[in-house]
Amino acid sequence: GEDVEQSLFLSVREGDSSVINCTYTDSSSTYLYWYKQEPGAGLQLLTYIFSNMDMKQDQRLTVLLNKKDKHLSLRIADTQTGDSAIYFCAESRAGGFKTIFGAGTRLFVKA
Amino acid sequence: EPEVTQTPSHQVTQMGQEVILRCVPISNHLYFYWYRQILGQKVEFLVSFYNNEISEKSEIFDDQFSVERPDGSNFTLKIRSTKLEDSAMYFCASRTSGRTTDTQYFGPGTRLTVL
Repeated sequence: GEDVEQSLFLSVREGDSSVINCTYTDSSSTYLYWYKQEPGAGLQLLTYIFSNMDMKQDQRLTVLLNKKDKHLSLRIADTQTGDSAIYFCAESRAGGFKTIFGAGTRLFVKA
Repeated sequence: EPEVTQTPSHQVTQMGQEVILRCVPISNHLYFYWYRQILGQKVEFLVSFYNNEISEKSEIFDDQFSVERPDGSNFTLKIRSTKLEDSAMYFCASRTSGRTTDTQYFGPGTRLTVL
């Protein structure tokens, strides 16, 4: 069945890079997403990558996809205290309506 | 920027009572969704809705759940007889088209507490 796994916590110092990892099981996944959730807020789509891509960069964010290992990572360069949040990895198939989420990684940024 | 809104932000109810969670999707969106997140667990898909009917639903979405778009703006989730295990954060989302690359805009959620 479909499953998305990610580690629950990550703590980094301000200015360092953060790397949040995710694995998924559905080999039919076509789109892979990273969402950010701040306290009391909804789910904000940060970025997504197609399964035929290896990497996508968007300002401070770099997404790496290893399709063979079904491994996705999100790298945040120069992490700021404002990046403290929960980051959800998610996937979906082409033409499908639902998105499958991981449990979320809580990122703590120490000043 | 347009946003999805949800009311109430927190709902407390007694077990066995009916609750209706309300959402106002973004006005030109056509696809609507409900997800839930039990504390400390994953965000789980419940149901998607298009053209006034359910397009997909999960195993969680049993006969106790129903959705409705009663007018041109609201999208509701009804739980007929709440159970303790229905306590969760419920997120509404909307999207302009069915292509999965289109961004789903999520609301801030309604925290449902069943006592």
